Amino acid sequence: EIVLTQSPGTLSLSPGERATLSCRPSQSVSSSSLAWYQQIPGQAPRLLIYAAFSRAAGIPDRFSGSGSGTEFTLTISRLEPEDFAVYYCQQYGTSLTFGGGTKVEIK
Amino acid sequence: QLHLQESGPGLVRPSETLSLTCTVSDASISGSKYYWGWIRQPPGKGLEWIGTIYYSGVTFYNASLKSRVVISLDTSKNQFSLKLSSVTAADTAVYFCASDIAINWFFSWGQGTLVTVSS
Repeated sequence: EIVLTQSPGTLSLSPGERATLSCRPSQSVSSSSLAWYQQIPGQAPRLLIYAAFSRAAGIPDRFSGSGSGTEFTLTISRLEPEDFAVYYCQQYGTSLTFGGGTKVEIK
Repeated sequence: QLHLQESGPGLVRPSETLSLTCTVSDASISGSKYYWGWIRQPPGKGLEWIGTIYYSGVTFYNASLKSRVVISLDTSKNQFSLKLSSVTAADTAVYFCASDIAINWFFSWGQGTLVTVSS
């Protein structure tokens, strides 16, 4: 099983700041088979990024994904109030697994 | 964007079988365009993929749950279902149904339903 390690566990930032979230698979993920989701407490996850860097429909361009192999990054260029949430990465190269999540909280 | 809605008992006794249904709107589950999956989230914890089914009935399961899971289709009702047997307190979670394109990313999710395993 591919284990996804997300860091940091919690990111404390202010609105307008840049957020950089990391996702590191325990082994190389084939064909950039990685997605990112946002989850607001009490709600279902929402797909943000698929295939490592492709934005899902309706997702603002302040969200961007990058990386390959064993290192992936989700960047939020300027945090809006509605961006404070938990973010999960998910790989689908070998079966399907999720990371443990990064909470982005208001500083 | 599809609409999915989970339904089923909120409380299940230990050792019994958890049964949930997902009703799909805005798409036919018997068409070949989508796959249909179940994901769960224990309270305060992360997400765990349970399994996925294709319109043909082919299923794909998380190896750690495979011995206890059955996912099936009911095309007459445009629903798909989850059965998880021999449940314990560790199976207490919010259960989500979701849709994907090809065993990859989940682009539409139901709102989730909390299932508690307790006597």
